[in-house]
Amino acid sequence: QQQVKQSPQSLIVQKGGISIINCAYENTAFDYFPWYQQFPGKGPALLIAIRPDVSEKKEGRFTISFNKSAKQFSLHIMDSQPGDSATYFCAAEADKLIFGTGTRLQVFP
Amino acid sequence: DAEITQSPRHKITETGRQVTLACHQTWNHNNMFWYRQDLGHGLRLIHYSYGVQDTNKGEVSDGYSVSRSNTEDLPLTLESAASSQTSVYFCASSESVGGRNEQFFGPGTRLTVL
Repeated sequence: QQQVKQSPQSLIVQKGGISIINCAYENTAFDYFPWYQQFPGKGPALLIAIRPDVSEKKEGRFTISFNKSAKQFSLHIMDSQPGDSATYFCAAEADKLIFGTGTRLQVFP
Repeated sequence: DAEITQSPRHKITETGRQVTLACHQTWNHNNMFWYRQDLGHGLRLIHYSYGVQDTNKGEVSDGYSVSRSNTEDLPLTLESAASSQTSVYFCASSESVGGRNEQFFGPGTRLTVL
């Protein structure tokens, strides 16, 4: 049972463009929503996280938008750079962290 | 600098053999986790521990076991390796229970079961 649904599976964006990755969940007990970034051959690393009491969180070029009523959240990467090419995982936590299936982002110059 | 290490980084074994993957962290974190990563499934929790002598089953625990005898280590054992256990395994640690704290991941172990 996939508790956190992530889309798209892969994404190709041109340098300078906006990358958008979407996630949806069903469990209303989730109260923490982090995004992890993983480069090839490395372990995932926390990128940015949000709690459901706010609708948006921004850190540099990375923004999480959160829609509690729709049970959806998304990651926006502004001015995407080739160095952003990685796999991104959304996640949600109630008592344990549940990950989405991942999105492979490729940013071409 | 504090870190989390995994060994070996690559392992090839045969069906039916017992395999142990090591995880060692110097963060002094109470919480430790084992995940497996497979294409199309993301990261799935195998076992986790909230402290010494504490172990719990995750989503995909069948065929795996862990033990926690000290704060720093959480070895993962595949009792009788199966081809379905070919995967990349990640160990992670975090500070405290229920605090919604960042999990720090190791570099992973790529396991192939022939």
